[in-house]
Amino acid sequence: EPEVTQTPSHQVTQMGQEVILRCVPISNHLYFYWYRQILGQKVEFLVSFYNNEISEKSEIFDDQFSVERPDGSNFTLKIRSTKLEDSAMYFCASSESITGTGGAFDEKLFFGSGTQLSVL
Amino acid sequence: QKEVEQDPGPLSVPEGAIVSLNCTYSNSAFQYFMWYRQYSRKGPELLMYTYSSGNKEDGRFTAQVDKSSKYISLFIRDSQPSDSATYLCAMIPNTGGFKTIFGAGTRLFVKA
Repeated sequence: EPEVTQTPSHQVTQMGQEVILRCVPISNHLYFYWYRQILGQKVEFLVSFYNNEISEKSEIFDDQFSVERPDGSNFTLKIRSTKLEDSAMYFCASSESITGTGGAFDEKLFFGSGTQLSVL
Repeated sequence: QKEVEQDPGPLSVPEGAIVSLNCTYSNSAFQYFMWYRQYSRKGPELLMYTYSSGNKEDGRFTAQVDKSSKYISLFIRDSQPSDSATYLCAMIPNTGGFKTIFGAGTRLFVKA
């Protein structure tokens, strides 16, 4: 069964350092997402990406964050200067299409197993 | 008021029990309602989805949406120890789009 793959599973970094989290979405999917989950809190939307550009982002996704699809298979999240509060589990997700209007539910998100980011 | 509210639990039940999980929401624009299951150290996995109000059944799982009360439920019949996980409700507004809003999740333990 196809799956979303994330690497590394755990990343430890010093405050102020740059990190890149990597994801390989399911191959025929067109929409890509990053969500994060701070320990004990809800899963929060960060950003969605389609057709090589950001389609939507949350207020969490500030200038310190960026996403890229450097080739036909990888999807990355970069945090330029990490802060303590960036410590969280970061999930990559992909979907074949998105939900439009009128009842057709197409946004079946497939999540990776996550990267646990610890900022010290 | 939070957009989506979900009791974090934990909820502990004996094997074979009927489990009821619930969420309330405040945004009347939500039209698509999902339930995800999340095992420890794993990403969420889609279990059920419903459009607008009504019921949907899939095996031992039944999802209910009451838009008039802004209340959604997931029922698990004949619960099994393998059902032990965190259950997340999730919603998308009627305008569709890219952003899924999640509840905080309810931790469920099914004891053998």
